Amino acid sequence: EDKVVQSPLSLVVHEGDTVTLNCSYEVTNFRSLLWYKQEKKAPTFLFMLTSSGIEKKSGRLSSILDKKELFSILNITATQTGDSAVYLCAVSSGGSNYKLTFGKGTLLTVNP
Amino acid sequence: DGGITQSPKYLFRKEGQNVTLSCEQNLNHDAMYWYRQDPGQGLRLIYYSQIVNDFQKGDIAEGYSVSREKKESFPLTVTSAQKNPTAFYLCASRRQGPYGELFFGEGSRLTVL
Repeated sequence: EDKVVQSPLSLVVHEGDTVTLNCSYEVTNFRSLLWYKQEKKAPTFLFMLTSSGIEKKSGRLSSILDKKELFSILNITATQTGDSAVYLCAVSSGGSNYKLTFGKGTLLTVNP
Repeated sequence: DGGITQSPKYLFRKEGQNVTLSCEQNLNHDAMYWYRQDPGQGLRLIYYSQIVNDFQKGDIAEGYSVSREKKESFPLTVTSAQKNPTAFYLCASRRQGPYGELFFGEGSRLTVL
């Protein structure tokens, strides 16, 4: 069974701190890894990673994938209260029917 | 505007009743997915479909059924066999193949009384 494990499950920081969220996976026939941010209802897309060692960056957020060690990290620098959300990691896998398996998410709370 | 529409947003049902949640997309995506979200559980895959008239069970398919008669539509039926149906249900779609982001609907919250 495909498995995606995120850590920590929750995290409380102060504005301005830097945080690192982790995602490890064990899947059959890995294709890509995706990060999402969920505030209220629908998750919103952040990054998709397919190649090892190539950092994706968007403003204060960045992410990198290590396909040898089977994990990814999501970094958020200079956190703001608006970064408070659940961050979800998902892995796309499969030979012809491509499923996406999500981790349980990391609840990030940024206090002023 | 292109997107995914789920309905209803909120639904209350009595135990033992079947319920169908609607999911329609106009993004011309081939693949569609249904997830269930419970507090602290992340998103768990119920069913997914890559093409019309074909679908696969996800990790928690028991007590659920789906159909994919049209590319745009992927309704989910929560049957009376589902032991704990109260949850938040999310429908998503993406283009065919193993890559590309998932686009989500706004979700349907089902409460069984």
